[in-house]
Amino acid sequence: GAVVSQHPSWVICKSGTSVKIECRSLDFQATTMFWYRQFPKQSLMLMATSNEGSKATYEQGVEKDKFLINHASLTLSTLTVTSAHPEDSSFYICSAIRSGTYSSEQFFGPGTRLTVL
Amino acid sequence: AQRVTQPEKLLSVFKGAPVELKCNYSYSGSPELFWYVQYSRQRLQLLLRHISRESIKGFTADLNKGETSFHLKKPFAQEEDSAMYYCALSGAGGGNKLTFGTGTQLKVEL
Repeated sequence: GAVVSQHPSWVICKSGTSVKIECRSLDFQATTMFWYRQFPKQSLMLMATSNEGSKATYEQGVEKDKFLINHASLTLSTLTVTSAHPEDSSFYICSAIRSGTYSSEQFFGPGTRLTVL
Repeated sequence: AQRVTQPEKLLSVFKGAPVELKCNYSYSGSPELFWYVQYSRQRLQLLLRHISRESIKGFTADLNKGETSFHLKKPFAQEEDSAMYYCALSGAGGGNKLTFGTGTQLKVEL
């Protein structure tokens, strides 16, 4: 089956620093990837749609200057949390769309736990 | 606006008992509905989608447009079914964007 990886799996950083999270589709190409955020015991909240070769599309209320998304290749999207603060601490999950002949399916990465001190 | 509601945070059943995880949605057009499952310490994975109309691991779900529901059912719960279940909706023309419900933790007890 299709595999999506995320790196790192967890990261701890100081307040004010920037953190980059990678999302890779390992065995398929994905023109579209998504970034979600999940707070403890809560659902996944879509943050943005990452489009290969073009600007990301952000959901309402998500600061695009704070959460920088780059989708430079068909297998890699990155999310950079700039000037991170404790309230940015969360579980970040990416997904990638694998398009088939008749339908498409969304495959999820394992998530990245971000803790901002 | 689209919304997915899962009214139960936790559902506890005994092994062999029937299971029904409720999901209701709000969407003005023709949605595509999904059930995702997350086993302990594993990533989210697709369980089934309404357009496939198939049974996966004994689970089925029927889209009821009149009641705007997509409940997940299994006649006999197994211990390995214990997991977090999320109902999700994708709107037509939404580019595969998913709106998730808050999830239901299913616990199957022996």
